[in-house]
Order: sequence, then structure tokens, then C-alpha cells
Amino acid sequence: AQSVTQPDIHITVSEGASLELRCNYSYGATPYLFWYVQSPGQGLQLLLKYFSGDTLVQGIKGFEAEFKRSQSSFNLRKPSVHWSDAAEYFCAVGGPTGGGNKLTFGTGTQLKVEL
Amino acid sequence: KAGVTQTPRYLIKTRGQQVTLSCSPISGHRSVSWYQQTPGQGLQFLFEYFSETQRNKGNFPGRFSGRQFSNSRSEMNVSTLELGDSALYLCASSLALGQTYEQYFGPGTRLTVT
Repeated sequence: AQSVTQPDIHITVSEGASLELRCNYSYGATPYLFWYVQSPGQGLQLLLKYFSGDTLVQGIKGFEAEFKRSQSSFNLRKPSVHWSDAAEYFCAVGGPTGGGNKLTFGTGTQLKVEL
Repeated sequence: KAGVTQTPRYLIKTRGQQVTLSCSPISGHRSVSWYQQTPGQGLQFLFEYFSETQRNKGNFPGRFSGRQFSNSRSEMNVSTLELGDSALYLCASSLALGQTYEQYFGPGTRLTVT
């Protein structure tokens, strides 16, 4: 069965500092990987996705993520965090067409940004 | 283009009652998925619909059901509500089935069961 682990429940960073959110997945085949962000009272917004090809993917709002098959990881990074990045971040895994649109999510990482 | 709309946004029900939540996808989108989000269990997949047919279902009891109409709007129903059903219910729409189609999430319906 597919699963996603986000080992950090809470992370606090200073504005302007770099950020890395960790994500490890378990999936029997080539995974499709996603990072979503959720602000209070909002739904989920897709930051970026990885299907195949270049292992470093760029997303919106200055985020990027690197797929490392050997480590089963898909960590999210941002070189300089802004106060508006404070939110909850979810890593998710899906599969090829046979699995439909079902996503399996991690438990999320709550990001706090100190001014 | 309007986003995914979910109604109502907030709902308070009593144990034993039933509830119906509605989701209107982005115009042109034909696939709708539902998720339950709770502090304890996180985000869990409920089911997904495409062309009025349920295509995939998560591990939830039969009290949870859904349907999709010809205009792609979807409803989910929970019967005999339990306290543990208190959650944020999120709907996502996409053009079609397949992970390469981006899923757009609505703001959710916050259900509180007392």
C-alpha cells in the first residue's frame, strides 16, 4: 500500500531563511508526487508535482522539490521564506491512470515564520 | 474562471442525523473526488466520480455515499452521523481521471457533529 511520511509536524523559521520540508514515500511503482499548501480556512493549493524526467521540479511561489528515488524522498525547498508562507504543507503520492485521481497524503507540516 | 464551490461551508448536526454536502466543480471538469480531513487521521480519500460513475472508493463505512450528476456536480451523504464524523470535507475537481490532470480543491465544508 502506498504511504507518505512527513517527519516534521511543526517547523519554525525566520523570515528570509531557507526552508526544507521533508517527505518520504512508499509506493510500489513509479510514483507521482505532489506538494500542496493549505492556509487557514482554505482548501489545498498545488505547489508542484513530479511525474517523470528531471528530478528537480520548480513550482509556484518560489518553491522547488527534488525527487530522490534511492532515498524515496521528495523534499520541498525554498531559498528565502516570506511571512506569507506560513501555512500547512502536505506531501502526497498518486499513481498512473489505473489508480484514478486518488491521492495519499502525509500528515502535514505546519510552518511558522518568525519576523 | 470560477473555482470549486462547496456548500454549505459550515454545518452543525446532531448524532444520528444525516447530512448532504454539495460540490460544484470548475466548469468543464468531469472528475470529482472527496476527502475527509481530521486532526487525528489527516486527509483521507473518500471516493471519486467520473461521468456519473464512482470509479474509486476509500476505506470508509457504507454510511458514506456519494453521487455525481450529469452536469458533473457531486454530492456526498453521511447517514447516521457519529461524533467522529466531525471533519472538514474537501472536494477536488479535475478535467478527467488520471494523475496528470491537476486537481483543484474547494474550500471545504466544516461539519460538526454534536
